[in-house]
Amino acid sequence: DIQMTQSPSTLSASVGDRVTITCRASQSISSWLAWYQQKPGKAPKLLIYKASSLESGVPSRFSGSGSGTEFTLTISSLQPDDFATYYCQQYNSYSGSTFGGGTKVEIK
Amino acid sequence: EVQLVESGGVVVQPGGSLRLSCAASGFTFDDYTMHWVRQAPGKGLEWVSLISWDGGSTYYADSVKGRFTISRDNSKNSLYLQMNSLRTEDTALYYCAKAEPSDSSYDYWGQGTLVTVSS
Repeated sequence: DIQMTQSPSTLSASVGDRVTITCRASQSISSWLAWYQQKPGKAPKLLIYKASSLESGVPSRFSGSGSGTEFTLTISSLQPDDFATYYCQQYNSYSGSTFGGGTKVEIK
Repeated sequence: EVQLVESGGVVVQPGGSLRLSCAASGFTFDDYTMHWVRQAPGKGLEWVSLISWDGGSTYYADSVKGRFTISRDNSKNSLYLQMNSLRTEDTALYYCAKAEPSDSSYDYWGQGTLVTVSS
């Protein structure tokens, strides 16, 4: 099974900061990676798919990069609405999927 | 508008059974692979199971294999999860999710239904 390791688990930042979250796969997943944002009491929301494609309606301050085993989600200028938990997800295998452990972005 | 509405979550004793449902609308249900994902209280997301558009292929996480069964009724635009031999560690909010056809990321999620396994 493919394991996804996300770091950091918690991140303290201020409005306007540039924020980077990393996700590492235990084996190559090509570009089959997605990023989700989840706020308390809500379902996750798709931000990025295929490692770097921005989902329709998602602000352009969100971007994704990477391939193989190393991936990053970058928020170019953190906004008040961005304080949330972020998850990466691999879907390289048709037979299943794996999520990273999550990164909680908190107000500094 | 795409909508996914889960139901069936209740409090059940360890060893018990439960069937979750997910009613889909706003898209051509039988064109899409569907998934169940769960989230234990205060924890992260865990993929549970998937079913292909025609029900011909199903897959499960190791943690539920042999105990859970995913199914769908395309005539009713509905997805199901039969959960048997429930354990306390199955306590979670269960989401159904629609997979993007081209790459299997989840573009739509339901609001979730809470399953509590407790004596």
